[in-house]
Amino acid sequence: DAGVIQSPRHEVTEMGQEVTLRCKPISGHNSLFWYRQTMMRGLELLIYFNNNVPIDDSGMPEDRFSAKMPNASFSTLKIQPSEPRDSAVYFCASSFWPTNEKLFFGSGTQLSVL
Amino acid sequence: DAKTTQPTSMDCAEGRAANLPCNHSTISGNEYVYWYRQIHSQGPQYIIHGLKNNETNEMASLIITEDRKSSTLILPHATLRDTAVYYCIVNLEGNTPLVFGKGTRLSVIA
Repeated sequence: DAGVIQSPRHEVTEMGQEVTLRCKPISGHNSLFWYRQTMMRGLELLIYFNNNVPIDDSGMPEDRFSAKMPNASFSTLKIQPSEPRDSAVYFCASSFWPTNEKLFFGSGTQLSVL
Repeated sequence: DAKTTQPTSMDCAEGRAANLPCNHSTISGNEYVYWYRQIHSQGPQYIIHGLKNNETNEMASLIITEDRKSSTLILPHATLRDTAVYYCIVNLEGNTPLVFGKGTRLSVIA
């Protein structure tokens, strides 16, 4: 298995532009999580899905952030418009619900908003 | 908020056992102790988890005190590749999400 696949690996954009991050979970997993990591705030949960349904999006910082999971093998996290304070590493993780015994993380997307 | 307390950093000599402590004094009866680690520039990686019995796998051992208020992750023979941030997390199995604290930065020294 290729593991959780995230793209792009790096993204550099200018303030005000739309950014779309992509994630392909491990086949057979039915829970998907988006985390954000910064030096100041550490790893923060943004949103998670069970069976493609968003369960908790209380970690999404503002309306500029949105996430979708149109099917079991794909999810996107969109920021529109992007701001410099959105610069961070964004991780996607997947697991098998309901046990969620182990989370498997992707390699992350390093986002820089200039 | 994270329910655990870990030292900020630790050093360990290569080849020696690394013992990483974690305090979780408010743990409830059905909450598990999970350990993850994050090597630089990578996503976190699951290591081990347990409820009250000691656990061992190919990566590490987990020792949980009888009162379950603390635990220790043991890497029996640390290598340079074990240098990472180690996170101790308390959570209900199946009840997501995992909340990550600041973890312990382990440096394995040659």
